[in-house]
Amino acid sequence: KQEVTQIPAALSVPEGENLVLNCSFTDSAIYNLQWFRQDPGKGLTSLLLIQSSQREQTSGRLNASLDKSSGRSTLYIAASQPGDSATYLCAVKGGGSNYKLTFGKGTLLTVNP
Amino acid sequence: GAGVSQTPSNKVTEKGKYVELRCDPISGHTALYWYRQSLGQGPEFLIYFQGTGAADDSGLPNDRFFAVRPEGSVSTLKIQRTERGDSAVYLCASGNLDTQYFGPGTRLTVL
Repeated sequence: KQEVTQIPAALSVPEGENLVLNCSFTDSAIYNLQWFRQDPGKGLTSLLLIQSSQREQTSGRLNASLDKSSGRSTLYIAASQPGDSATYLCAVKGGGSNYKLTFGKGTLLTVNP
Repeated sequence: GAGVSQTPSNKVTEKGKYVELRCDPISGHTALYWYRQSLGQGPEFLIYFQGTGAADDSGLPNDRFFAVRPEGSVSTLKIQRTERGDSAVYLCASGNLDTQYFGPGTRLTVL
């Protein structure tokens, strides 16, 4: 059974700092990995999707990497802003299913002005 | 364009009652998913529809939970004899095999 772990559970940084969120998964047979953002009381917004054949994806100040063989992904946020404060969730699709997402518990990020 | 919508946004009920949660997917999306997110946890898969049929309901926790999608669009998640442990945010998503677009969720509180 696929398990996804996210470290740290919570992170507080001053505005402007670069930061890294970590995600690990137990079954490397994945189709893709996705990073989501969740604001309080809101749904999930997809940030980056990395296919299993890819190593990284970039969107603006966000960069996500994938090392499938070691079961790891990182989300790098450059020059953090207070508006980046949210919970960041990592999810993998795979482990025998090409549609079911398995999520980590998330990292609660607070960027202080 | 319109995203995935879910109603109600909040539902408070008493233990033992029956509840229905509704999901309106993005028009044209044949795939629809339900997830449940308990406090401090990531979303957990409940059920997946492809068209009108439930292709995978392996995530439904027990037979008190049931979901339908009779016309291949709107879906309803039904919970019988609710228990306090059912309290969570129920998320619906629609999309294709690559991408799932999530709704804002229904926060269910069972007193």
